[in-house]
Order: sequence, then structure tokens, then C-alpha cells
Amino acid sequence: SQQGEEDPQALSIQEGENATMNCSYKTSINNLQWYRQNSGRGLVHLILIRSNEREKHSGRLRVTLDTSKKSSSLLITASRAADTASYFCAGASSNTGKLIFGQGTTLQVKP
Amino acid sequence: DAGVIQSPRHEVTEMGQEVTLRCKPISGHDYLFWYRQTMMRGLELLIYFNNNVPIDDSGMPEDRFSAKMPNASFSTLKIQPSEPRDSAVYFCASSFLGTVDYNEQFFGPGTRLTVL
Repeated sequence: SQQGEEDPQALSIQEGENATMNCSYKTSINNLQWYRQNSGRGLVHLILIRSNEREKHSGRLRVTLDTSKKSSSLLITASRAADTASYFCAGASSNTGKLIFGQGTTLQVKP
Repeated sequence: DAGVIQSPRHEVTEMGQEVTLRCKPISGHDYLFWYRQTMMRGLELLIYFNNNVPIDDSGMPEDRFSAKMPNASFSTLKIQPSEPRDSAVYFCASSFLGTVDYNEQFFGPGTRLTVL
């Protein structure tokens, strides 16, 4: 499979704590994107980091990218109950317009 | 913009019946993607179009699946005949490749298909 792997598969934390999710991918990429999916809904784009970037911030989100290890991490700081969702990383293939999605991490934030 | 529109939102059918899923991408987007999501296999890319032309259909599981994009504002995914293992949530997504390295995809709400 070309899909990446995400770690952990499931994460449960208390409101206010930080949540870290990791992603590994296999192909050469132009950029790495993170998406969120609420239960019963479509995926929503959160943040994109280009292959020549190492770290990016957006609000409470911090993404890192290590192209030598083909890995990325998503950190959500000061989590809220509303952050409860599944989070997917997706690598944008250098050769095509496709995104290769990971299996996702299910995050539960308890109030 | 209303975003990516999919219909129907839910479809329940019997094995052997034809199923047609519909998608209206965001106006101005030049890429359209069809995905299938299941618990077992996660999110799978079935096929994608660029400027209404199918580019890669290697993810289409069998000949029972077909997709068309007759114009820039409409696409269909058809399953004929349907089987219980086709039960899944089918997503349509669109994107605009304005620059080479920026291709955020916008997803529709999905169609939950149940084949009995």
C-alpha cells in the first residue's frame, strides 16, 4: 500500500492537554497536509507544510516535517473538547496531483 | 461558494442494483477526486480527473465501478451491479492546482452507501 502510517491510532486526553500525532510516508512529496474529520463528515484541510519547510504554525497547531525520515508530526496545544475528531496526514506526490492519506489518528478530548 | 456538493447523502440498496453517486465540485477547480472510506481499508483514492479527463483510475476496484465527468461542474460514480462489500462512505473532493506545490483538497460531505 502507498498509504502512510499514523501513530498512535487512537489518543485520549483531557481538555487543556497537548496532543501529538505522528505520520510516516513512503513516497517523495511536494508537501504534507493534515486534515481533520469529524464523525459523519467530510475531511477538512487544517495545514500544509512544503517539502522545504521544517516547521509551521497555525493557531494552536504546530506541524513539523522531516523529509530525511519521511515523517511529520502534528501538535495541538491546549486541546478542547471540540478538537475530538480523526486526524489524517496526506503527502502530495511529487509525480502526480494525488494525495496519499495515512490511516488516521482518532483523538478524543475529554471535558 | 456552497462547497463540494454530493448526492444522495445516504443510499440503501439491494445487492445487484445499480447505484449512481453524484458530485458537483467547487466552481473553478480543475481536479476532482473520488474516494472510498471504510473502517478496514481507510481512505482509498478510486479515480481522479483533471479538466474533466480521467487521469488515474488504478484505484477503481473492479469493472463494476465506473466514473464520468461530462463537464466541469458534474461527475458521477456508478456501481453496477452493487455488492454488500461496496458498502462504504464515498467522498468526492476537488482542488485547484494554482501552483505546483499547493493542492489542498476540498471534500464533500460524503454518500453513505449500504448494500443489503
